[in-house]
Amino acid sequence: EPEVTQTPSHQVTQMGQEVILRCVPISNHLYFYWYRQILGQKVEFLVSFYNNEISEKSEIFDDQFSVERPDGSNFTLKIRSTKLEDSAMYFCASRELPGLAGNEQFFGPGTRLTVL
Amino acid sequence: GESVGLHLPTLSVQEGDNSIINCAYSNSASDYFIWYKQESGKGPQFIIDIRSNMDKRQGQRVTVLLNKTVKHLSLQIAATQPGDSAVYFCAENGGTSYGKLTFGQGTILTVHP
Repeated sequence: EPEVTQTPSHQVTQMGQEVILRCVPISNHLYFYWYRQILGQKVEFLVSFYNNEISEKSEIFDDQFSVERPDGSNFTLKIRSTKLEDSAMYFCASRELPGLAGNEQFFGPGTRLTVL
Repeated sequence: GESVGLHLPTLSVQEGDNSIINCAYSNSASDYFIWYKQESGKGPQFIIDIRSNMDKRQGQRVTVLLNKTVKHLSLQIAATQPGDSAVYFCAENGGTSYGKLTFGQGTILTVHP
């Protein structure tokens, strides 16, 4: 069964450093997402991406964040200068079709980011 | 503002019992709702979804009920098993076509053998 994969599973970094979290969405999916989950809290939407551009982003997704689809398979989230409060689980998700309510989002296993 | 919340943060049941997990939402524009299961250290796993033109939808051992009048969503799990122990989140799309999901706080379901 196809699945969303994410690497690394755990990333430890120093405050102020740049990190890149990587995701490989399901191959025939067209919509891609990043969410984050601070320990013990709910999953929060960061950004959605379709047709090689951001379609929506949350207040959390400020100028320190960026997303990219550098090739036909990878989808990355970059945090330019990490802060302590960026420590969280980051989930990538993908969806097959745009514009249809009721289209399931498949989530990856997540990357745990720890900022020291 | 829009929000999705849960009435009960924890639920403990005996194996074989039926479980009901509740969720309240406030965004009347939402037209799609999903229940996800999250096991420790894993990403959310899709359980069942429902569109706003439906009141009830059944899957394998799970049923989702939607009451748009009071903006309430519930997940019923029949014959709960220890493997059902997890955190359950409801999520809604806010009526957007881009698929942004707003998640609730989550309910911890513990099933005792």
